[in-house]
Amino acid sequence: QQQVKQSPQSLIVQKGGISIINCAYENTAFDYFPWYQQFPGKGPALLIAIRPDVSEKKEGRFTISFNKSAKQFSLHIMDSQPGDSATYFCAASKYQGGKLIFGQGTELSVKP
Amino acid sequence: EPEVTQTPSHQVTQMGQEVILRCVPISNHLYFYWYRQILGQKVEFLVSFYNNEISEKSEIFDDQFSVERPDGSNFTLKIRSTKLEDSAMYFCASSDVQGRLASGDEQFFGPGTRLTVL
Repeated sequence: QQQVKQSPQSLIVQKGGISIINCAYENTAFDYFPWYQQFPGKGPALLIAIRPDVSEKKEGRFTISFNKSAKQFSLHIMDSQPGDSATYFCAASKYQGGKLIFGQGTELSVKP
Repeated sequence: EPEVTQTPSHQVTQMGQEVILRCVPISNHLYFYWYRQILGQKVEFLVSFYNNEISEKSEIFDDQFSVERPDGSNFTLKIRSTKLEDSAMYFCASSDVQGRLASGDEQFFGPGTRLTVL
């Protein structure tokens, strides 16, 4: 019930393409769903986050789509660039300040 | 831009030894966290700390682990007797949950300390 399942494990996209990463959760008590970006040797950094009262949030090239009934959310990276190559983690928490439950991570490689 | 800092960046220790990992959270943040990431795996929650006490801990955070905020700036994770399976990257994070920032939920992560237990 505490798990967040993420797919795919790895993703290769051509420059300019759309990268899509999916996550699913079981616990309906989760109230906050962030996506983190991690470069090798660095800590995770918040990319974009959403709450379940909205179905979509867009910030620049990054969009979260949220389907509350299906308990799924996804990250779309439009016009993917080689600089986007990193590991992406979805996460969820039950309340403000609560622990983050992370997905397994997706290693994204954007080919020039 | 304020950031979470961690020292050392890499710690090598012998099995059974005590290690202390240090973190300086972002000034004025109120919640502090430790997470770990075993190589190639997901980031796992260890413990959260608020108002000078543990607010939540995971099953991983057993009696071998302890946290402390010894002064107004540092936040430490101590592992009393390290095991081989403690080898991982340890991340400290902090957040401002008072809502003063637009991203009040955001947990800001430090660069991590790579712990290698031999």
